[in-house]
Amino acid sequence: KAGVTQTPRYLIKTRGQQVTLSCSPISGHRSVSWYQQTPGQGLQFLFEYFSETQRNKGNFPGRFSGRQFSNSRSEMNVSTLELGDSALYLCASSLEDRGPEAFFGQGTRLTVV
Amino acid sequence: GEDVEQSLFLSVREGDSSVINCTYTDSSSTYLYWYKQEPGAGLQLLTYIFSNMDMKQDQRLTVLLNKKDKHLSLRIADTQTGDSAIYFCAERSGGYQKVTFGTGTKLQVIP
Repeated sequence: KAGVTQTPRYLIKTRGQQVTLSCSPISGHRSVSWYQQTPGQGLQFLFEYFSETQRNKGNFPGRFSGRQFSNSRSEMNVSTLELGDSALYLCASSLEDRGPEAFFGQGTRLTVV
Repeated sequence: GEDVEQSLFLSVREGDSSVINCTYTDSSSTYLYWYKQEPGAGLQLLTYIFSNMDMKQDQRLTVLLNKKDKHLSLRIADTQTGDSAIYFCAERSGGYQKVTFGTGTKLQVIP
């Protein structure tokens, strides 16, 4: 069974641009969560989607948005990029919204210059 | 709000046991997790424990939960060099998938 796939693995963007990251969950999983990992703030929850609905949102500005498609694949978008958005963005996949196990992808390393 | 704390660094000799500790504040935590992260990689789910359990053992890993003190520990028996990584404690409360992570403990295994 394939794991969680995040694309692209690495990305370099310029301040002010926007970026879209993609996450394909494990086959059959319907819940996708996103996290930002930085050296200063550690791992922080961004948002969670289940059956195309956002269930929960972390404390991030409105520049961070996401969506989930009917096949459970998810995208997150960051507009008007800032230097501080440089981070590893991790996606986690769960069978259902209340299941105990969440499996993470390898992440997308975003660098904003 | 939820808060999870861990010590930053642990060094052990190969073959010894490692014990990584964690404290959390949310008394309504449902699940508590241990994740492993190797350099340049994502998070690997090692194990988790439901909040009404005291202990869970899985091969070389033993998780102990003291709910009264809100203390979680991960014991790795016969630690190997391949166990060198950052270990994250995490907790989840409520029904959905929002997980709060600790700062991570970097485990260094000395050959």
